[in-house]
Amino acid sequence: DTAVSQTPKYLVTQMGNDKSIKCEQNLGHDTMYWYKQDSKKFLKIMFSYNNKELIINETVPNRFSPKSPDKAHLNLHINSLELGDSAVYFCASSQQGVGGYTFGSGTRLTVV
Amino acid sequence: ILNVEQSPQSLHVQEGDSTNFTCSFPSSNFYALHWYRWETAKSPEALFVMTLNGDEKKKGRISATLNTKEGYSYLYIKGSQPEDSATYLCASNSGYALNFGKGTSLLVTP
Repeated sequence: DTAVSQTPKYLVTQMGNDKSIKCEQNLGHDTMYWYKQDSKKFLKIMFSYNNKELIINETVPNRFSPKSPDKAHLNLHINSLELGDSAVYFCASSQQGVGGYTFGSGTRLTVV
Repeated sequence: ILNVEQSPQSLHVQEGDSTNFTCSFPSSNFYALHWYRWETAKSPEALFVMTLNGDEKKKGRISATLNTKEGYSYLYIKGSQPEDSATYLCASNSGYALNFGKGTSLLVTP
């Protein structure tokens, strides 16, 4: 029944590794997003994607890349992980131009 | 990216008190203003989406108003209850995604 699901919920990994976080939504929404929650609990947009367009926040390092196999999925790949990448990452979806966002439960990434 | 500001940063009230928070946002290129409720260890949940100047929305004891010309929105909680304790986020559309404020953390004690 989960509307937006993220896996894994927790991820602990070493510096330099490459990892992925998966996100799936079953709401039929046409747009999906990745947000990063910083240490002060501030949500910052990383990517916005619908079946037509990927928009990247220019402040996001190119080690981060979204991959969307279909409109129900938007996975986040991170290469060469750094200590500063440790954060909670939230996936969200919406129907463009209509209504609020539905968020996943978040993935807490810890880089050691 | 639009700069969304919220005040106060935190608020502590007694059960039964009414309270309100402020969200300010750049009024140029306005598209929509969202309010979210974010409980600890959960994900943000949408409360309101507002688009029209002068709009007022209500859900139970919670209501919100919008002034797009001057770039502010107020969220009101009437008769606060302990279960209202959460962080309340305001967000404005930046053109491709929501840009969130840092939130107002509300604690309601019995």
